[in-house]
Amino acid sequence: KAGVTQTPRYLIKTRGQQVTLSCSPISGHRSVSWYQQTPGQGLQFLFEYFSETQRNKGNFPGRFSGRQFSNSRSEMNVSTLELGDSALYLCASRGGRDSNEKLFFGSGTQLSVL
Amino acid sequence: AQSVTQLGSHVSVSEGALVLLRCNYSSSVPPYLFWYVQYPNQGLQLLLKYTSAATLVKGINGFEAEFKKSETSFHLTKPSAHMSDAAEYFCAVSPTFAGGTSYGKLTFGQGTILTVHP
Repeated sequence: KAGVTQTPRYLIKTRGQQVTLSCSPISGHRSVSWYQQTPGQGLQFLFEYFSETQRNKGNFPGRFSGRQFSNSRSEMNVSTLELGDSALYLCASRGGRDSNEKLFFGSGTQLSVL
Repeated sequence: AQSVTQLGSHVSVSEGALVLLRCNYSSSVPPYLFWYVQYPNQGLQLLLKYTSAATLVKGINGFEAEFKKSETSFHLTKPSAHMSDAAEYFCAVSPTFAGGTSYGKLTFGQGTILTVHP
């Protein structure tokens, strides 16, 4: 079966711009989580969506937002980009016929803010 | 709040040698613990999980981990390292609360890069 798909794979933006990242979960998975990965801070939880509702939120400023559509696809948006937002953004899905504890990760979107 | 600490940001072993990656957790309630592996330019893949069943957990690719409550540890081991095991490994915990746990919201350790020498 197809895995978690994240687009785009690479993105370059400048400070002050905004960006939207997309995540398509594994078919049948209704939960989507987002993580930020940086060399300094490691992996940090951003938020989790289930059936179009935000279930959990991490400690990130309001510039970071997300949403989930009825087909379980999810997007995250970062407004007013800062240099420190440069990171690998990972999306993960779970549920369906798979064990509920198991997260399936996409390959991520590498965001560079110049 | 739950947290995990991985001891050693880099571990180097010879091919065929024992792999031991250390993880200690902090939790006021029985935690759910996970080990994930990340290969270069890829996302994370679940190796194994502890969810309060057997304390010795076997995972994929020959890895296993033992939950030791008295030591608050969940170390990852593999008897014989292979070149293909070279990757970064993350220990993680999911928050538990009355009524369940939140599997989508993991707290990760800082990661341990495993290097395997021929």
